[in-house]
Parts: sequence; C-alpha cells; structure tokens
Amino acid sequence: DSGVTQTPKHLITATGQRVTLRCSPRSGDLSVYWYQQSLDQGLQFLIQYYNGEERAKGNILERFSAQQFPDLHSELNLSSLELGDSALYFCASSGNGELFFGEGSRLTVL
Amino acid sequence: DQQVKQNSPSLSVQEGRISILNCDYTNSMFDYFLWYKKYPAEGPTFLISISSIKDKNEDGRFTVFLNKSAKHLSLHIVPSQPGDSAVYFCAASARLLTQGGSEKLVFGKGTKLTVNP
Repeated sequence: DSGVTQTPKHLITATGQRVTLRCSPRSGDLSVYWYQQSLDQGLQFLIQYYNGEERAKGNILERFSAQQFPDLHSELNLSSLELGDSALYFCASSGNGELFFGEGSRLTVL
Repeated sequence: DQQVKQNSPSLSVQEGRISILNCDYTNSMFDYFLWYKKYPAEGPTFLISISSIKDKNEDGRFTVFLNKSAKHLSLHIVPSQPGDSAVYFCAASARLLTQGGSEKLVFGKGTKLTVNP
C-alpha cells in the first residue's frame, strides 16, 4: 500500500461526457503528480501540483484540467471525452526522491 | 519524442536465470534514474535507483548499471523468480525529486517480464 488513494478505480462513460478523478496523496506529502498510461504507451506526465499551486505541466490536453485543494487532495477533470482518452490515470506523490503511485483509475470511453 | 526508450516490449526467462532489462535515454541532462515494477491492477512501485555519480547500484537480487557515455542503463535480476513477472518501467529525471521542486520523472513504455517456473 503506497498510501496514495485514487477514486474511482473504474469508470465507464460515453464520448462527449465529463468525468472527475480524485486523488489523496500520502500523509505529509504536499506534491501530487498526474500521469496517463494509454495502451502500449508508457506513463505520460500530465501535471504536477505542490501545496495547491501548479508546479509543472506536461502533455496535458486543453480539455483536461486539474486542481489541488487546501486539504491537499487533487482532482483531474476530463471533459468532452473522446475514445482516445480511454486509459489508466495514475496519481502519485513524492518523497525521498521517488514517486509513490496510487492504484490508478481506469477510464473507458465508449 | 521519446526521451526514455525501452526497446524490448517483452522478455521471457527461466526461473533461476538472469533477467536483463535495458533502457536508453536521449536527454543528456538526465542525472537520476529509477526502475519501477508494475503488477496488473496495481500502481507502479519503486524498485531501485541510481544517480549519475555511480555506475552501479545493488539491492539484493536487483542491480542497476549505468553507462552515461552510452546513455544506457540496465536492470539485472539474479536469480529470477516467478514473482518477478511484471512490467518494468525505466524512468529518468534531471534532478532528484524533492517535495517543492518542479522536477518530473520521464518514463519509458515498459518491458513485460515473464519468469517461467
């Protein structure tokens, strides 16, 4: 158990819809990272927050947005969903030079 | 542009033998390298790391070798066990991850290791 909690574990929705993925970092960690893993792809960095502020941005689509709240949990919002958005979405928090990952949220867009 | 490349999507070895997983990188700014292991339906978990000031780091059955001039690293597992069957991701960053930093890990696509009994 990494201590990073992600909900929901599975989500099935239709094209054009909007979903929200939620992440709680490990106790004491202030950073949250979001990664996407599509079929046959590695983990693609999307965005990082530190203590409520955006710290780094990767290959995140404009249809996607994220935020980190005062209690340090983070939400990744995916809108106008397309079939290609089907993927595993991982959240991670950092400590001691490594990332600790949650179990991921599997999004299926039909 | 793939900055971290794992050119072998899969590898199959016999139990007790050595598993060698390879990783190449293109960004000369990378100074810190990590290997993660991922089982199905679980998140990736940290396995072992190495910084550029070293060329080898060992932890039990796992050893990572770094060749900076070739921009290549490898993970050796000796002896391999069926429980090692998983997807292994190589990752790199320019600096050690810190709580307040903006550093991020760049991952390869992973190599699926199967250890046969």
